[in-house]
This record gives sequence, C-alpha cells and structure tokens, in this order.
Amino acid sequence: QQQVKQSPQSLIVQKGGISIINCAYENTAFDYFPWYQQFPGKGPALLIAIRPDVSEKKEGRFTISFNKSAKQFSLHIMDSQPGDSATYFCAASRGSNYQLIWGAGTKLIIKP
Amino acid sequence: ETGVTQSPTHLIKTRGQQVTLRCSSQSGHNTVSWYQQALGQGPQFIFQYYREEENGRGNFPPRFSGLQFPNYSSELNVNALELDDSALYLCASSLGTGNMDIQYFGAGTRLSVL
Repeated sequence: QQQVKQSPQSLIVQKGGISIINCAYENTAFDYFPWYQQFPGKGPALLIAIRPDVSEKKEGRFTISFNKSAKQFSLHIMDSQPGDSATYFCAASRGSNYQLIWGAGTKLIIKP
Repeated sequence: ETGVTQSPTHLIKTRGQQVTLRCSSQSGHNTVSWYQQALGQGPQFIFQYYREEENGRGNFPPRFSGLQFPNYSSELNVNALELDDSALYLCASSLGTGNMDIQYFGAGTRLSVL
C-alpha cells in the first residue's frame, strides 16, 4: 500500500513534443504528490506538486494531472526541450508526514 | 545550486567497515533528511533530524544512525557495511518538517562497498 508505481522507465521524445510520465498509488491517505527532476551528478529538485483537491496544476510548460478516483497522477511536459533531458521522479506522502514515498524514476531523453 | 553540500562525493569501503557521511544544510534550515538511492531506483527515506533530535525513521536497521549539530549540519553513520549498502546517499534540508516544506537536496555521496 505504500508503493508508488511509475511508468515508463524510459522515454524518448522529439524536441517540441509532449512528454508524459504516469504514476499510480494505492494508499488513499496520500495527499501530497510532488514531481522531482534529477540531472546526472545532482540531487533531485522539486519541479511541481499537487494536492488532491484539484485535478490539474500548471506551471509554465509543466502540468500535473490528478485523477483521485483512479489513484493516478501524471506529469506533462509541453514543448519538450533538450534541456528537459533528465530523470523524473514522482512521489507521495500523507498528512504532515514528511516521509516521501518515491517512484522508481523515468529517464527522459529529448531528441533535437 | 541548492546550498546543501555533502562530503565526500565518492567513497570506497570494504564489507564490515564503518562510514561517516556529512551534510551542511542550507542557511536557515533546521531540518535535515537522509535518503538512500540505489542505482536505477527512487530515493528511500532513512531518517530525519529536526533541531538535533531524530524526528522519524524509515525502514532501515539500527546500524544506520545519525547526528545533527547545533549549526544544523548532520552526519550519517553506517556500521558493519554490507554490499547492499552501495548507493548514492542524499541529504536534504528544509525549513520545517511538514510535507509542504520544500526539501533542497545536495548532490549526494556515492558509496561503494566492496
């Protein structure tokens, strides 16, 4: 029940295309869902986060879509750029609990 | 850059040895969390320190221990190293302990156990 399942494991998208990464969770008590971006040799950095009281959150080219009934959330990167090439992690936590449960990551490559 | 620094960047140890990893938190942050990231996996929460006290622990054995100092820097100690301890160890600092407190990660320490 604590798992967060992330797919795909890797993704190749042409420059200008839309990158979509999906996550699914089991624990209905989760109420905070962040996405992190990690470049090689660096630690993860918070990209965007959502709470389940909204179905979508957009920040620039990055959008989180949230489906509470399906227990799924996804990251959409519009107009993908080579600089977006990185590993992306979804995560989840509940209440004020700081313990993030992380997905296994998606390696995204944007082809010029 | 996040302002969170970790040392050393790389470390090689042999099975059974002990290791200490260090983390300097971002200025003004009183909370430090430690994570283990195995190759090709997401980070796993080890423990969190808030104002020098352990504030929660993940599913790691007691041979993983830590400290936080008055300046909020922190150490992760691992005793009796096992091969499976080979991983990237990440430290993250935050202003508070809630899940809305953004965690800023260091670049990590890559530990190899031979």
